[in-house]
Amino acid sequence: QAQLVQSGAEVKKPGASVKVSCKASGYTFVNHGLSWVRQAPGQGLEWMGWIYSGNTNYAQKVQGRVTLTTDTSTNTAYMDLRSLRSDDTAVYYCVRDIGPAGDAFDIWGQGTMVTVSS
Amino acid sequence: QSALTQPRSVSGSPGQSVTISCTGTSRDVGAYNYVSWYQQDPGKVPKLILYDVTKRPSGVPGRFSGSKSDNTASLTISALQAEDEADYYCCSFAGTSSWVFGGGTKLTVL
Repeated sequence: QAQLVQSGAEVKKPGASVKVSCKASGYTFVNHGLSWVRQAPGQGLEWMGWIYSGNTNYAQKVQGRVTLTTDTSTNTAYMDLRSLRSDDTAVYYCVRDIGPAGDAFDIWGQGTMVTVSS
Repeated sequence: QSALTQPRSVSGSPGQSVTISCTGTSRDVGAYNYVSWYQQDPGKVPKLILYDVTKRPSGVPGRFSGSKSDNTASLTISALQAEDEADYYCCSFAGTSSWVFGGGTKLTVL
């Protein structure tokens, strides 16, 4: 079955960068877009950005600090977040677009906890 | 892009129905029939329960239904069960490959 498996938890200092990976399996990777969604402790979900077929779009809040990429040879997506601040502390999820059948995020990675602390 | 507005909490007794609202703007909820809903148990990964306003993924019970009027979408859960207690989030397509989530609603089954 389709699944997304993310890299492990990270602890970073303010000002540093983090790169989270998301490996897809069980479906044709290039046929679906991928978004990244984060959730700060005790808070709601926040959409951060989207990538599909080399095209990207980012939320204003993280624009300029985030870069999404994919490696189609390994069916892996990456989220690179720079100039980390304490309010970037969150669980980061990669999520799959449902595809042409509709609009939604139907497959979620298990989440990667990123902690930003001095 | 401002978050969609959801009530912070709702509650209901087993067997009753509850409705969770999700209010956006004419640039997101009002502009597209692309509202989805997610259920999140504490400490777990969110799960898609409705998409395109009214569609249910395979395996989601028919007790979950959705609707939309103007800039407000709604999730209705009928015949409430204890296992429905969770956080619920709405999400809308907002144009140009962007999305916006609601702040989340905590459902308590009394």
